Amino acid sequence: GDSVTQMEGPVTLSEEAFLTINCTYTATGYPSLFWYVQYPGEGLQLLLKATKADDKGSNKGFEATYRKETTSFHLEKGSVQVSDSAVYFCALSDKNTGNQFYFGTGTSLTVIP
Amino acid sequence: ETGVTQTPRHLVMGMTNKKSLKCEQHLGHNAMYWYKQSAKKPLELMFVYSLEERVENNSVPSRFSPECPNSSHLFLHLHTLQPEDSALYLCASSQLGQESFYGYTFGSGTRLTVV
Repeated sequence: GDSVTQMEGPVTLSEEAFLTINCTYTATGYPSLFWYVQYPGEGLQLLLKATKADDKGSNKGFEATYRKETTSFHLEKGSVQVSDSAVYFCALSDKNTGNQFYFGTGTSLTVIP
Repeated sequence: ETGVTQTPRHLVMGMTNKKSLKCEQHLGHNAMYWYKQSAKKPLELMFVYSLEERVENNSVPSRFSPECPNSSHLFLHLHTLQPEDSALYLCASSQLGQESFYGYTFGSGTRLTVV
């Protein structure tokens, strides 16, 4: 069945460091891929998405490229800020399974000044 | 109000109490979801409502009872809860058939503590 695997956390980085959070997926069809962010005490917010292979989603300095050949959607940011401290969830939606969403387990990021 | 609104934001209840969580969406969506988020565990999908009909119940104990009176409102009625039910309860909504493009929209959650 469909699933999403993302790197275990927690991740701690210094401000202005480069961020990569790995995400790989398994899907029966051609899913859409998403990154959601959850700030402390809040719900999940859509950060970026990609709906087909080779698409790049981007928002707030974050980027992720839909790589069908490696079934990956890694999240990257060139220079993190303290305000990026949050939990990041990779997710997929697969039309083959009625657009049901599958979430990864979340990766906690803490950025220290 | 815009988006998905959940009330209350925080709730403390005893094991013998009865309480309800409320979710309201102002997006014109026609599907709504309840998720449970516990510390150090993956998101757990509890209930799915599609066009106001319950279409999924992921083996959730009967002490959780959902209600969807219309496409904009979703409730989660709670009774005789256990301490292990303490968690963040998240409501989400979507437009059927468009999830792969627009995703789900989440509320801010209700932090439930059972004492």
